[in-house]
Amino acid sequence: SQELEQSPQSLIVQEGKNLTINCTSSKTLYGLYWYKQKYGEGLIFLMMLQKGGEEKSHEKITAKLDEKKQQSSLHITASQPSHAGIYLCGADNTGRRALTFGSGTRLQVQP
Amino acid sequence: EADIYQTPRYLVIGTGKKITLECSQTMGHDKMYWYQQDPGMELHLIHYSYGVNSTEKGDLSSESTVSRIRTEHFPLTLESARPSHTSQYLCASSVRDSTDTQYFGPGTRLTVL
Repeated sequence: SQELEQSPQSLIVQEGKNLTINCTSSKTLYGLYWYKQKYGEGLIFLMMLQKGGEEKSHEKITAKLDEKKQQSSLHITASQPSHAGIYLCGADNTGRRALTFGSGTRLQVQP
Repeated sequence: EADIYQTPRYLVIGTGKKITLECSQTMGHDKMYWYQQDPGMELHLIHYSYGVNSTEKGDLSSESTVSRIRTEHFPLTLESARPSHTSQYLCASSVRDSTDTQYFGPGTRLTVL
């Protein structure tokens, strides 16, 4: 079973629509990271959340961490074609080791 | 953007060949990592290092080996490539804090025929 579940696996939205991607950890979270991956490229760091209830925003992307539920959500407001890509959440479950990553959410934004 | 480099970006090679995937970072980070990712699948940690002369195996068993002779350099070697090694390999680095951000390189897409 996966330690980190992401949903949905893929998402197609029309430009201008809002969307939410969820990430649930089966283990205690010491930190939750969100990355964006473009096809054939490396991962681009978006945000890191550490404290329960923490919320961070960057441009039109907002991420929240619900520590009790061991969940995080990534919300994109008024999506644009430039938001298309694969979004990955990464979890630090021990505080000592490298991150465990989910399988990603593939986002397509249709003009 | 972080300064972490991987070469080659793409590699197609025959079975049985020895290959080395290069990873270098200019940020002075102590921690470096190698991940393996198949299309649409999870990122799996295969190796990591806390610093020079430190290497550890990750969660996913791998036939590859790594070395860390210099802080900035963390090469991954396959002594005898097989088709099952076909995948994308991503290198990452972070400062020596356990909750620090990991910065990723562009990846090497390896195809073994």
